[in-house]
Amino acid sequence: GENVEQHPSTLSVQEGDSAVIKCTYSDSASNYFPWYKQELGKRPQLIIDIRSNVGEKKDQRIAVTLNKTAKHFSLHITETQPEDSAVYFCAESMGSGVSNYKLTFGKGTLLTVNP
Amino acid sequence: ETGVTQTPRHLVMGMTNKKSLKCEQHLGHNAMYWYKQSAKKPLELMFVYSLEERVENNSVPSRFSPECPNSSHLFLHLHTLQPEDSALYLCASSQSQGERGEAFFGQGTRLTVV
Repeated sequence: GENVEQHPSTLSVQEGDSAVIKCTYSDSASNYFPWYKQELGKRPQLIIDIRSNVGEKKDQRIAVTLNKTAKHFSLHITETQPEDSAVYFCAESMGSGVSNYKLTFGKGTLLTVNP
Repeated sequence: ETGVTQTPRHLVMGMTNKKSLKCEQHLGHNAMYWYKQSAKKPLELMFVYSLEERVENNSVPSRFSPECPNSSHLFLHLHTLQPEDSALYLCASSQSQGERGEAFFGQGTRLTVV
């Protein structure tokens, strides 16, 4: 995959509200879609991922949905807490194989959860 | 130590200096990456090594020179840098085969070119 668009670039919510971040990609061969969270001064860390044979995946307050036809996927965080404040990056790759596993990242979304 | 480790954490260098960034992974992965993270820009992939061979070089200027002596170590040699090269340089590793493809990142080296 060569291009990943991520929106919004900044998002501010009240504690307890939901937050949604969306990404679109251009390469129909992409089949692996991870989301990374980067807290201030720390490294990006994987929080959830999804492969193209699945439409939705949930892990407690976090969920990811994938629409392969429309080439977009979204991160949903429910019941947000101040510790969810961070920069979130979406990414995509074409899975395994030489050079197909490299990740292309979106520009990131700065999420601020206000107490 | 486990995971992906980068040294140094911070580096200030002049435009005429030569320095090297080091990355080490203890995860048994066979692919390693260098990313550049600048303010207000996405994570930019610089180099990819798979099984110690460079498989990608994303039009990176020659003043950045990677080296991968074995599957656990990755270096980025720097010389004659410019102030616009100041950024956070992140190393990552992953397994190039298999289902997940998850990349594990090091803590990064904050580079300032003066």
